[in-house]
Amino acid sequence: DVQLVESGGGLVKPGGSLRLSCAASGFTFSSYSMNWVRQAPGKGLEWVSSISGSSNYIYYADSVKGRFTISRDNAKNSLCLQMNSLRAEDTAVYYCVRGDNNWVVAEYFQHWGQGTLVTVSS
Amino acid sequence: EIVMTQSPATLSVSPGERATLSCRASQSVTSNLAWYQQTPGQAPRLLIYGASARATGIPARFSGSGSGTEFTLTISSLQSEDSAVYYCQQYNNWPSSFGQGTKLEIK
Repeated sequence: DVQLVESGGGLVKPGGSLRLSCAASGFTFSSYSMNWVRQAPGKGLEWVSSISGSSNYIYYADSVKGRFTISRDNAKNSLCLQMNSLRAEDTAVYYCVRGDNNWVVAEYFQHWGQGTLVTVSS
Repeated sequence: EIVMTQSPATLSVSPGERATLSCRASQSVTSNLAWYQQTPGQAPRLLIYGASARATGIPARFSGSGSGTEFTLTISSLQSEDSAVYYCQQYNNWPSSFGQGTKLEIK
């Protein structure tokens, strides 16, 4: 079974940094693109970033471009999201989501982690 | 970016009755439309993809229809565990985008 387990969330002050991790298991990690999708409290879902299986293609939502960095370590079956210059509006549950292709495409999402909460507040 | 609009925001339906949820796209997404169910504290669960194909393990009482810009999720014979927020998502254009959700309450 596909398992995605996020960690690294917590409380951080505006302007601060946080690094989220996602441990993947149950599939050949390097064969699939990976994504981060977030959900602000009481709000809908927002795509944040995507990375192809070989890290050749990386994309960001305009709302996080220049502040967030997605990366992956295929040897360790892990996905990361480095978040810098955090703002109050970045407060959300961040989900690690597996794609169904090696490359990055617009697609539906079948495999989600349970999420990790990031709170940006002074 | 394609804007997805869901209606109504909240829907209250009695057990055993049918619920009809709507999703409209700001431009055509052909049949590249998915539906998700989210219960409190849980991650979204894929219900429908390709506008009408049920995902693995999804009961037959969930059905999707539509194409282009107008889509419908129908839940027949509602059960208490169907109480949740339902989201639509278009994946025809990059980046994919989600609707704001419809909260389904069971009376």
